[in-house]
Amino acid sequence: EPEVTQTPSHQVTQMGQEVILRCVPISNHLYFYWYRQILGQKVEFLVSFYNNEISEKSEIFDDQFSVERPDGSNFTLKIRSTKLEDSAMYFCASRENYGYTFGSGTRLTVV
Amino acid sequence: QQQVKQSPQSLIVQKGGIPIINCAYENTAFDYFPWYQQFPGKGPALLIAIRPDVSEKKEGRFTISFNKSAKQFSLHIMDSQPGDSATYFCAASRAGANNLFFGTGTRLTVIP
Repeated sequence: EPEVTQTPSHQVTQMGQEVILRCVPISNHLYFYWYRQILGQKVEFLVSFYNNEISEKSEIFDDQFSVERPDGSNFTLKIRSTKLEDSAMYFCASRENYGYTFGSGTRLTVV
Repeated sequence: QQQVKQSPQSLIVQKGGIPIINCAYENTAFDYFPWYQQFPGKGPALLIAIRPDVSEKKEGRFTISFNKSAKQFSLHIMDSQPGDSATYFCAASRAGANNLFFGTGTRLTVIP
């Protein structure tokens, strides 16, 4: 069964550093997403991406965040200057119609 | 603003029992209601989903009941097994929109 692949599975970074989280969506999917889940809390929408541009973003997705699809297969989330409160699981997802498929996530720990 | 409210927060049942998880929503523009199952360290996995034109959908041991007038939907797990122990999230989205609104999750424990 096709799956969404995320790397790394765990990233530890110092506060103020830049991080890039990587995702390989399912190849024939057209819509791509980043969600995050702070430990023990609900999954929250960050951003959606379609046709090589952001189609929707939440208030969480401020100027410190950016997304890119650099080479037609990878989909990346960059956090420019990490804060302690950015510590969370970050999930990439892709979809074709209504069916979202989530990756296993990257656990980001900001110290 | 909580778009989707989910209860209970946690649930413990005996093997073979029928746990029921409830969700309520406010936005009448929502037209897609999935349930996700999440195991520790993994991403949410789609379990079953329903559109508002039907009141019930069943897939294997999992059933969604949908009450459009009450703006509520629920997940029933028949003959629950210890392997069903996970966190369950309801979600909703509207036609033409991009994102899912998730409930706060229910941690289900099925005791052997």
